[in-house]
Amino acid sequence: DARVTQTPRHKVTEMGQEVTMRCQPILGHNTVFWYRQTMMQGLELLAYFRNRAPLDDSGMPKDRFSAEMPDATLATLKIQPSEPRDSAVYFCASGLVRENTEAFFGQGTRLTVV
Amino acid sequence: AQSVSQHNHHVILSEAASLELGCNYSYGGTVNLFWYVQYPGQHLQLLLKYFSGDPLVKGIKGFEAEFIKSKFSFNLRKPSVQWSDTAEYFCAVIGGSYIPTFGRGTSLIVHP
Repeated sequence: DARVTQTPRHKVTEMGQEVTMRCQPILGHNTVFWYRQTMMQGLELLAYFRNRAPLDDSGMPKDRFSAEMPDATLATLKIQPSEPRDSAVYFCASGLVRENTEAFFGQGTRLTVV
Repeated sequence: AQSVSQHNHHVILSEAASLELGCNYSYGGTVNLFWYVQYPGQHLQLLLKYFSGDPLVKGIKGFEAEFIKSKFSFNLRKPSVQWSDTAEYFCAVIGGSYIPTFGRGTSLIVHP
């Protein structure tokens, strides 16, 4: 059963610390999305990769957030330094760039910055 | 740019009641439309999807949705809800950019 895998599932960290979230997309998928979910904003797109190249990260605060895909099996989202307002659930999703396809979501990383 | 609007933010129903959740999108071209469900503490799972053909699509767990192109709508329906349908429901659209855009979500609570 193919699935998107995210680690860690939960992370509690102190303000100012670096946080790295990891995502393993479904094998063969060529697009990866990072979304942030909060009560106030709902699901916000942070970054989008196609064939490992970043195509859209306009939703991401550039001063502290960075997203990379070092290889086809790993996507990372890093926050440095973290702030309490970054507390949210971060979802990774993967899919195929073609017609008639949907995005498949991971279980998410629940981040709490204290 | 594409956008999605979900009109109902919170819905509370009793078991066996009928459900309809509204979803409207804005995009001038061909779209793919989706409804996702998020059970408490879990990730988003696909309920159903529309790509082309019959505008009435059936999904899992007795859900269905109807695409009305003239109204830019893709409303979700279920004739009789169950307590286990308590969840958050998200409508999403994919246009030419292949990036899913989500609505704000509708929180559904079903009382037993």
